[in-house]
Amino acid sequence: DAGVIQSPRHEVTEMGQEVTLRCKPISGHDYLFWYRQTMMRGLELLIYFNNNVPIDDSGMPEDRFSAKMPNASFSTLKIQPSEPRDSAVYFCASTPGPREEKLFFGSGTQLSVL
Amino acid sequence: AQSVSQHNHHVILSEAASLELGCNYSYGGTVNLFWYVQYPGQHLQLLLKYFSGDPLVKGIKGFEAEFIKSKFSFNLRKPSVQWSDTAEYFCAVNDEDSSYKLIFGSGTRLLVRP
Repeated sequence: DAGVIQSPRHEVTEMGQEVTLRCKPISGHDYLFWYRQTMMRGLELLIYFNNNVPIDDSGMPEDRFSAKMPNASFSTLKIQPSEPRDSAVYFCASTPGPREEKLFFGSGTQLSVL
Repeated sequence: AQSVSQHNHHVILSEAASLELGCNYSYGGTVNLFWYVQYPGQHLQLLLKYFSGDPLVKGIKGFEAEFIKSKFSFNLRKPSVQWSDTAEYFCAVNDEDSSYKLIFGSGTRLLVRP
């Protein structure tokens, strides 16, 4: 398996633009997580899905952020409109099921909002 | 809400020095504890984990961590660091009540000088 695949690896955009980050979890993994990593706040859980259903989105910063999982092999995190303070590395992770021992992380998307 | 504290944000050591990174969590019930590592330019990887049993956990690359329930701590140790240990280290916790919400500390950046 290729692991968790995220795209793009790097995204540079201007303030006000819409940004869409993509994630393909490992096949067979029922849980998918979106994390954001910044220097100031470290690694924060934004939202996670179980069987394509959002379970906990309490970490989503504000209404500008939205996440979807239309099927078991694809998820998106969208920011509209983007702001400079959204600049961070966004990680997607997946795991097979409840009480599994570890998350499998993607390589992350480095987002810079100018 | 549960939280994880990593006291040292930046640590600089010389090769062969001993390492101890602190991690404290706030939840009083049953927890699962993890240390993840992120090498420069790479994605997060699991270093070690504690679910139950022996509170002294051995991980990869000579790392170990000790769970001390009375202190709500899960400190990471290595007797002799190498230059290749330069990375960012994240402590993480999840608890039975929140089912699968993995909460990360803010991370500790370790620089090992050759």
